Amino acid sequence: AQTVTQSQPEMSVQEAETVTLSCTYDTSESDYYLFWYKQPPSRQMILVIRQEAYKQQNATENRFSVNFQKAAKSFSLKISDSQLGDAAMYFCAYRSTGNQFYFGTGTSLTVIP
Amino acid sequence: DAMVIQNPRYQVTQFGKPVTLSCSQTLNHNVMYWYQQKSSQAPKLLFHYYDKDFNNEADTPDNFQSRRPNTSFCFLDIRSPGLGDAAMYLCATSEFIGRARVSEQYFGPGTRLTVT
Repeated sequence: AQTVTQSQPEMSVQEAETVTLSCTYDTSESDYYLFWYKQPPSRQMILVIRQEAYKQQNATENRFSVNFQKAAKSFSLKISDSQLGDAAMYFCAYRSTGNQFYFGTGTSLTVIP
Repeated sequence: DAMVIQNPRYQVTQFGKPVTLSCSQTLNHNVMYWYQQKSSQAPKLLFHYYDKDFNNEADTPDNFQSRRPNTSFCFLDIRSPGLGDAAMYLCATSEFIGRARVSEQYFGPGTRLTVT
Protein backbone atom coordinates (compact mmCIF):
# COMPACT_ATOMS: atom_id res chain seq x y z
CA ALA A 1 0.00 0.00 0.00
CA GLN A 2 1.07 3.52 -0.63
CA THR A 3 2.02 5.63 2.37
CA VAL A 4 1.23 9.27 2.93
CA THR A 5 3.14 11.26 5.53
CA GLN A 6 2.18 14.55 7.10
CA SER A 7 4.98 15.57 9.42
CA GLN A 8 3.19 18.50 11.05
CA PRO A 9 0.54 17.32 13.53
CA GLU A 10 -0.36 20.91 14.36
CA MET A 11 0.13 24.28 12.72
CA SER A 12 -1.05 27.76 13.52
CA VAL A 13 -1.31 30.90 11.44
CA GLN A 14 -2.35 34.47 12.05
CA GLU A 15 -5.47 35.57 10.29
CA ALA A 16 -4.67 37.03 6.84
CA GLU A 17 -1.24 35.40 6.80
CA THR A 18 0.01 32.50 4.68
CA VAL A 19 0.67 28.98 5.89
CA THR A 20 2.07 25.90 4.17
CA LEU A 21 1.17 22.35 5.14
CA SER A 22 3.53 19.62 4.04
CA CYS A 23 2.85 16.15 2.66
CA THR A 24 5.08 13.46 1.24
CA TYR A 25 4.10 10.13 -0.21
CA ASP A 26 5.68 6.93 -1.32
CA THR A 27 4.64 5.15 -4.49
CA SER A 28 5.94 3.19 -7.43
CA GLU A 29 3.02 4.20 -9.65
CA SER A 30 3.37 6.80 -12.37
CA ASP A 31 -0.31 7.70 -12.71
CA TYR A 32 -2.03 8.85 -9.58
CA TYR A 33 -3.98 11.70 -8.04
CA LEU A 34 -3.30 13.72 -4.95
CA PHE A 35 -5.83 15.59 -2.87
CA TRP A 36 -6.09 17.84 0.12
CA TYR A 37 -9.21 17.42 2.21
CA LYS A 38 -10.46 19.61 5.03
CA GLN A 39 -12.36 18.25 8.02
CA PRO A 40 -13.72 20.94 10.35
CA PRO A 41 -14.52 19.84 13.91
CA SER A 42 -17.55 17.56 13.95
CA ARG A 43 -18.23 18.31 10.32
CA GLN A 44 -18.02 16.61 6.99
CA MET A 45 -14.81 16.01 5.07
CA ILE A 46 -14.67 18.21 1.98
CA LEU A 47 -12.26 18.52 -0.90
CA VAL A 48 -9.92 21.51 -0.94
CA ILE A 49 -7.84 20.87 -4.03
CA ARG A 50 -6.68 18.07 -6.33
CA GLN A 51 -3.62 17.45 -8.48
CA GLU A 52 -3.17 14.99 -11.31
CA ALA A 53 0.32 13.49 -11.30
CA TYR A 54 0.66 13.79 -15.07
CA LYS A 55 0.18 17.56 -14.91
CA GLN A 56 3.28 19.61 -14.25
CA GLN A 57 1.34 22.76 -13.47
CA ASN A 58 0.48 23.23 -9.82
CA ALA A 59 -3.23 23.31 -9.03
CA THR A 60 -4.80 26.47 -7.65
CA GLU A 61 -8.24 27.07 -6.14
CA ASN A 62 -8.75 30.64 -5.02
CA ARG A 63 -6.66 31.06 -1.84
CA PHE A 64 -5.43 27.48 -1.95
CA SER A 65 -2.53 26.29 -4.05
CA VAL A 66 -0.19 23.34 -4.08
CA ASN A 67 3.50 22.85 -4.68
CA PHE A 68 3.72 19.48 -6.39
CA GLN A 69 7.21 18.07 -6.73
CA LYS A 70 6.79 14.70 -8.42
CA ALA A 71 10.41 13.62 -8.29
CA ALA A 72 10.60 14.42 -4.60
CA LYS A 73 7.13 12.93 -4.00
CA SER A 74 6.10 16.06 -2.21
CA PHE A 75 2.70 17.75 -2.26
CA SER A 76 2.38 20.79 -0.01
CA LEU A 77 -0.67 22.99 0.45
CA LYS A 78 -0.39 26.76 0.70
CA ILE A 79 -3.24 28.73 2.19
CA SER A 80 -3.04 32.45 1.50
CA ASP A 81 -4.91 35.17 3.36
CA SER A 82 -5.94 32.70 6.06
CA GLN A 83 -9.45 33.06 7.44
CA LEU A 84 -11.00 31.88 10.68
CA GLY A 85 -13.09 29.41 8.70
CA ASP A 86 -9.93 27.69 7.50
CA ALA A 87 -9.41 26.21 10.95
CA ALA A 88 -9.77 22.46 10.57
CA MET A 89 -7.91 19.19 10.25
CA TYR A 90 -6.29 18.93 6.84
CA PHE A 91 -5.64 15.55 5.29
CA CYS A 92 -3.41 14.81 2.34
CA ALA A 93 -4.68 11.88 0.28
CA TYR A 94 -3.33 9.69 -2.50
CA ARG A 95 -5.50 7.87 -4.99
CA SER A 96 -3.99 4.76 -6.48
CA THR A 97 -4.70 3.25 -9.88
CA GLY A 98 -6.73 0.64 -8.03
CA ASN A 99 -9.27 3.21 -6.80
CA GLN A 100 -7.98 3.13 -3.23
CA PHE A 101 -7.49 6.37 -1.35
CA TYR A 102 -4.82 6.59 1.33
CA PHE A 103 -4.76 9.40 3.85
CA GLY A 104 -2.02 11.01 5.88
CA THR A 105 -2.38 11.43 9.63
CA GLY A 106 -3.57 15.00 9.26
CA THR A 107 -2.47 18.47 10.29
CA SER A 108 -4.61 20.42 12.71
CA LEU A 109 -4.64 24.06 11.62
CA THR A 110 -5.45 26.82 14.09
CA VAL A 111 -6.15 30.32 12.82
CA ILE A 112 -5.35 33.04 15.33
CA PRO A 113 -7.50 36.16 15.12
CA ASP B 1 -29.03 18.58 -1.93
CA ALA B 2 -27.60 15.81 0.22
CA MET B 3 -25.31 13.71 -1.92
CA VAL B 4 -23.92 11.07 0.44
CA ILE B 5 -26.24 10.18 3.28
CA GLN B 6 -25.36 8.06 6.27
CA ASN B 7 -27.83 6.62 8.73
CA PRO B 8 -27.90 6.70 11.61
CA ARG B 9 -25.59 9.56 12.56
CA TYR B 10 -25.07 8.01 16.00
CA GLN B 11 -25.30 4.34 16.80
CA VAL B 12 -24.91 2.63 20.14
CA THR B 13 -24.52 -1.11 20.24
CA GLN B 14 -23.60 -3.69 22.82
CA PHE B 15 -20.40 -5.65 22.86
CA GLY B 16 -20.85 -8.60 20.50
CA LYS B 17 -24.22 -7.49 19.12
CA PRO B 18 -24.27 -7.23 15.31
CA VAL B 19 -24.79 -3.79 13.90
CA THR B 20 -25.38 -2.42 10.39
CA LEU B 21 -24.53 1.05 9.18
CA SER B 22 -26.00 2.35 5.97
CA CYS B 23 -24.92 4.73 3.26
CA SER B 24 -26.79 6.02 0.24
CA GLN B 25 -25.80 8.37 -2.55
CA THR B 26 -27.58 10.52 -5.10
CA LEU B 27 -24.49 11.03 -7.26
CA ASN B 28 -24.76 7.75 -9.17
CA HIS B 29 -21.05 7.17 -8.61
CA ASN B 30 -19.68 3.75 -9.42
CA VAL B 31 -17.29 3.51 -6.47
CA MET B 32 -18.29 3.47 -2.82
CA TYR B 33 -15.91 3.32 0.15
CA TRP B 34 -16.07 2.62 3.84
CA TYR B 35 -13.54 4.14 6.21
CA GLN B 36 -12.96 3.82 9.92
CA GLN B 37 -11.75 6.97 11.64
CA LYS B 38 -10.73 6.96 15.27
CA SER B 39 -10.30 10.12 17.26
CA SER B 40 -7.58 12.43 15.88
CA GLN B 41 -6.48 9.82 13.36
CA ALA B 42 -6.59 9.55 9.60
CA PRO B 43 -9.46 7.70 7.97
CA LYS B 44 -8.50 4.09 7.40
CA LEU B 45 -9.88 2.42 4.30
CA LEU B 46 -11.75 -0.79 5.13
CA PHE B 47 -13.00 -1.73 1.67
CA HIS B 48 -14.52 -0.35 -1.46
CA TYR B 49 -16.87 -1.40 -4.23
CA TYR B 50 -16.20 -0.64 -7.87
CA ASP B 51 -19.67 -1.27 -9.24
CA LYS B 52 -20.40 -4.74 -7.80
CA ASP B 53 -16.77 -5.72 -7.43
CA PHE B 54 -15.80 -5.88 -3.78
CA ASN B 55 -12.26 -4.91 -2.81
CA ASN B 56 -11.14 -5.67 0.70
CA GLU B 57 -8.08 -4.09 2.26
CA ALA B 58 -5.63 -6.74 3.44
CA ASP B 59 -5.72 -5.63 7.07
CA THR B 60 -9.49 -5.24 7.42
CA PRO B 61 -10.68 -7.66 10.12
CA ASP B 62 -13.08 -10.43 9.12
CA ASN B 63 -15.51 -8.95 11.62
CA PHE B 64 -16.28 -6.27 9.06
CA GLN B 65 -18.41 -7.09 6.04
CA SER B 66 -20.09 -5.02 3.39
CA ARG B 67 -22.97 -5.26 0.96
CA ARG B 68 -23.87 -3.17 -2.05
CA PRO B 69 -27.29 -4.26 -3.31
CA ASN B 70 -27.45 -1.52 -5.94
CA THR B 71 -25.61 1.58 -7.13
CA SER B 72 -27.18 3.84 -4.53
CA PHE B 73 -26.75 1.88 -1.33
CA CYS B 74 -23.91 0.34 0.57
CA PHE B 75 -23.96 -1.26 4.02
CA LEU B 76 -21.30 -1.92 6.61
CA ASP B 77 -21.97 -4.93 8.85
CA ILE B 78 -19.99 -5.45 12.02
CA ARG B 79 -20.70 -9.00 13.07
CA SER B 80 -19.43 -8.91 16.65
CA PRO B 81 -18.45 -5.39 17.68
CA GLY B 82 -15.68 -5.05 20.19
CA LEU B 83 -14.75 -2.04 22.27
CA GLY B 84 -11.96 -1.30 19.81
CA ASP B 85 -14.46 -0.88 17.00
CA ALA B 86 -15.86 2.29 18.51
CA ALA B 87 -15.11 4.96 15.93
CA MET B 88 -16.53 7.24 13.29
CA TYR B 89 -17.39 5.34 10.13
CA LEU B 90 -17.25 7.35 6.95
CA CYS B 91 -18.83 6.47 3.66
CA ALA B 92 -17.53 8.07 0.48
CA THR B 93 -18.16 7.84 -3.24
CA SER B 94 -16.23 8.63 -6.37
CA GLU B 95 -16.63 8.15 -10.08
CA PHE B 96 -14.02 6.16 -11.93
CA ILE B 97 -14.14 6.63 -15.67
CA GLY B 98 -10.70 5.51 -16.66
CA ARG B 99 -7.09 5.73 -15.62
CA ALA B 100 -6.86 9.36 -16.59
CA ARG B 101 -10.27 10.45 -15.40
CA VAL B 102 -11.47 10.19 -11.86
CA SER B 103 -13.42 12.36 -9.56
CA GLU B 104 -12.49 13.19 -6.04
CA GLN B 105 -14.26 11.51 -3.17
CA TYR B 106 -17.47 12.86 -1.73
CA PHE B 107 -17.93 12.04 1.91
CA GLY B 108 -20.98 11.50 4.03
CA PRO B 109 -21.27 13.04 7.49
CA GLY B 110 -20.28 9.79 9.16
CA THR B 111 -21.85 7.49 11.74
CA ARG B 112 -20.35 7.58 15.21
CA LEU B 113 -20.45 4.11 16.69
CA THR B 114 -20.32 3.55 20.42
CA VAL B 115 -19.85 0.06 21.82
CA THR B 116 -20.98 -0.52 25.40
